[in-house]
Amino acid sequence: GIQVEQSPPDLILQEGANSTLRCNFSDSVNNLQWFHQNPWGQLINLFYIPSGTKQNGRLSATTVATERYSLLYISSSQTTDSGVYFCAAYGSSNTGKLIFGQGTTLQVKP
Amino acid sequence: DAGVIQSPRHEVTEMGQEVTLRCKPISGHDYLFWYRQTMMRGLELLIYFNNNVPIDDSGMPEDRFSAKMPNASFSTLKIQPSEPRDSAVYFCASSSGVEQFFGPGTRLTVL
Repeated sequence: GIQVEQSPPDLILQEGANSTLRCNFSDSVNNLQWFHQNPWGQLINLFYIPSGTKQNGRLSATTVATERYSLLYISSSQTTDSGVYFCAAYGSSNTGKLIFGQGTTLQVKP
Repeated sequence: DAGVIQSPRHEVTEMGQEVTLRCKPISGHDYLFWYRQTMMRGLELLIYFNNNVPIDDSGMPEDRFSAKMPNASFSTLKIQPSEPRDSAVYFCASSSGVEQFFGPGTRLTVL
């Protein structure tokens, strides 16, 4: 089945800095989602982005399906951005199962 | 829409007791998923339903776990008997086949 790998596993930033999180997947995907798990444990949808580029405030994401990767950009980071960022994908067979990466743990220091 | 609703939000029980977790999916979604999250194993898919029918239960750890979806607006995950190693956060999620949305989770502690 499809495999999803994220990098880096951990990231520490000073408030105001920019960052790029990467998600590689081993096969063609029909769905690619980015989630933020905040320090209270809630999983929040950031982007549904099987291809192309989307922006939402300080966050944007790009998926290049033909090259099997997606990037999440965080600009002008804030302490509230801290938490774990997951990417997840359905394989091309689209069984309905999202395959999650192991996550990137982000800490933004004031 | 209220989003995916789970209850209870926290559950503390003693080993051997039966535990029932509940989930109401987003109206109109025909997929429902149960996940478990622990520090050691991360986020694991336990089982998912499509149109109230279980499609894949290969992630259910053992026979002590069971899940039902009697109708399109309600699902339960039951653990009987519970064990300390079942302590985790259990998430329910739903989708219309595309974007998946998660509930707030139930934090289960088995003493």
